Amino acid sequence: AQSVAQPEDQVNVAEGNPLTVKCTYSVSGNPYLFWYVQYPNRGLQFLLKYITGDNLVKGSYGFEAEFNKSQTSFHLKKPSALVSDSALYFCAVRDWYGFQKLVFGTGTRLLVSP
Amino acid sequence: EAQVTQNPRYLITVTGKKLTVTCSQNMNHEYMSWYRQDPGLGLRQIYYSMNVEVTDKGDVPEGYKVSRKEKRNFPLILESPSPNQTSLYFCASSLGTENTEAFFGQGTRLTVV
Repeated sequence: AQSVAQPEDQVNVAEGNPLTVKCTYSVSGNPYLFWYVQYPNRGLQFLLKYITGDNLVKGSYGFEAEFNKSQTSFHLKKPSALVSDSALYFCAVRDWYGFQKLVFGTGTRLLVSP
Repeated sequence: EAQVTQNPRYLITVTGKKLTVTCSQNMNHEYMSWYRQDPGLGLRQIYYSMNVEVTDKGDVPEGYKVSRKEKRNFPLILESPSPNQTSLYFCASSLGTENTEAFFGQGTRLTVV
């Protein structure tokens, strides 16, 4: 079965510093990986996805993610954090068998301090 | 504007009182699904629908029902809610291919007392 792990419940970073939110995955076959963000009292918003091709994927709001097949990781990154980036971030993988199901990690809360 | 609309956003109800959470999407997506979000567990799929009149169980279907009579609507029904169904619920829709992202509604926070 497909699974993702987000090892950090919370990540703290100062505004202007680079940020990384970690995600590792376990899949059978090719991984289809996604990052979503959830702001308070809002639904999940799509940030970016890896399907195939370049290992560095660029997404919304200046975020990018690096796909690493050997380490089975898909870490979310941003060169310079903003206070407004503070939110809950979810990594997800498409389930290969129930192919439309997204399997989510437990989420990582990002707190960017001024 | 492309969107998934859920109603209500907040709901407090009593044990055993049937309720329905509506979900509608305006993107002509074939695939729709319901998730529940609980602290420390992430989002778990309850039910999904591949198209009109085609529904199937997800990972946590017990205590829930769904229907898909029209392509745009996918209501979630709790026939006899219990306190362990207190959660944050999300409806999502997507095109019927594995490489497309899902669009999520704003969420429905349900409390069963």
